[in-house]
Amino acid sequence: EVQLVQSGAEVKKPGESLKISCKGSGFSFTGYWIAWVRQMPGKGLEWMGIIDPRDSDSRYSPSFQGQVTISADKSISTAYLQWNSLKASDTAMYFCARSYDSSALDYWGQGTLVTVSS
Amino acid sequence: DIQLIQSPSSVSASVGDRVTITCRASQVISSWLAWYQQKPGKAPKLLIFAVSSLQSGVPSRFSGSGSGTDFTLTISSLQPEDFATYYCQQANNFPSFGGGTKIEIK
Repeated sequence: EVQLVQSGAEVKKPGESLKISCKGSGFSFTGYWIAWVRQMPGKGLEWMGIIDPRDSDSRYSPSFQGQVTISADKSISTAYLQWNSLKASDTAMYFCARSYDSSALDYWGQGTLVTVSS
Repeated sequence: DIQLIQSPSSVSASVGDRVTITCRASQVISSWLAWYQQKPGKAPKLLIFAVSSLQSGVPSRFSGSGSGTDFTLTISSLQPEDFATYYCQQANNFPSFGGGTKIEIK
């Protein structure tokens, strides 16, 4: 069974760093791209970026370039989304999802809720 | 960046209704268009990819069509489990999503 299991909810303060994870199982992790999608409270979906775990080739939406870092460790079938300095506006649900060809996303993680508040 | 405009932003419908959602792109996106369904508190679910290809396990009452800049998602006979928010997504340029269409119970 294909699964993407994300790390648990986080509560952080502005300025803190954070790294959330997405572990794949039931499929060849290096055969798919892994994307990250943001959903702010009550809002729509936003494509943040995508990574090829084979060689860690990552691509970012212009809106998120320089704001986050996407990485992957193919040896443990895990992708990551990282912030160096969180802002209150980073409060959102973050989803990972896989794509065969960096287009449609066919399997999704359950989401990680990140809350940033002083 | 390619912008995707969905219409309507919300629609009230009854079980059994035929519902059509439109997604208009700011430039030609060829065949790289997908549709997703999202229910409250859940991850999105892929319904349609490559404009009109039905994802495995998705009921045949869902269909997609279109070309160039104009695309549609049609639900031929709305079922109770179809009340949700629907998003289009393009991958011709850097991927992006439309703003969403919420189907509510009339």
